[in-house]
Amino acid sequence: EAGVAQSPRYKIIEKRQSVAFWCNPISGHATLYWYQQILGQGPKLLIQFQNNGVVDDSQLPKDRFSAERLKGVDSTLKIQPAKLEDSAVYLCASGSIRGGTVSGNTIYFGEGSWLTVV
Amino acid sequence: AQSVTQLDSQVPVFEEAPVELRCNYSSSVSVYLFWYVQYPNQGLQLLLKYLSGSTLVKGINGFEAEFNKSQTSFHLRKPSVHISDTAEYFCAVRRIQGAQKLVFGQGTRLTINP
Repeated sequence: EAGVAQSPRYKIIEKRQSVAFWCNPISGHATLYWYQQILGQGPKLLIQFQNNGVVDDSQLPKDRFSAERLKGVDSTLKIQPAKLEDSAVYLCASGSIRGGTVSGNTIYFGEGSWLTVV
Repeated sequence: AQSVTQLDSQVPVFEEAPVELRCNYSSSVSVYLFWYVQYPNQGLQLLLKYLSGSTLVKGINGFEAEFNKSQTSFHLRKPSVHISDTAEYFCAVRRIQGAQKLVFGQGTRLTINP
């Protein structure tokens, strides 16, 4: 079974530029998450999708971050304009929902997209 | 809201020695508990999880963890570590009902010395 795919793996941009990250979840997984992991910290949820609807985006800095999952499958996370403090790993994860809880109660993570803003 | 505290930011141990990584959580509702491992330049991999039943759960790579409800802890243990266990370890919780998101601790960096 293929895992969660993310691209690009690494990106270096200058501040005020824009960047986009792509994620393809495990086939059949309705729930998709974007997490931000700053060096030395635990991952923090940015946004959670259920199919193509947003479940939780309370910690997404909406003045510069946006995310979409138009067809309920793959997703794009965009940052515009980037700031130095956006340097982090952006982790995409997915899980399946049955009966209101994640089937198997496991959320699977991709390898992450590493962003450096200079 | 849920929160997770990993009591040690770094743990150095010698190869073949036992190790314990400590995790405490806070939640007003029932939660599931997880340990994830992150090797250098990689994403998160599930080590083990506690959903219900026996409070001692076994995971991959010889790791195990014990859920203690009265102390709200979920400490991770391995009786004999190997160089390849060098990684960052994250404890996480998720509500049983409601929001299906993981809340992570700050992580513990495990360094194995020969």
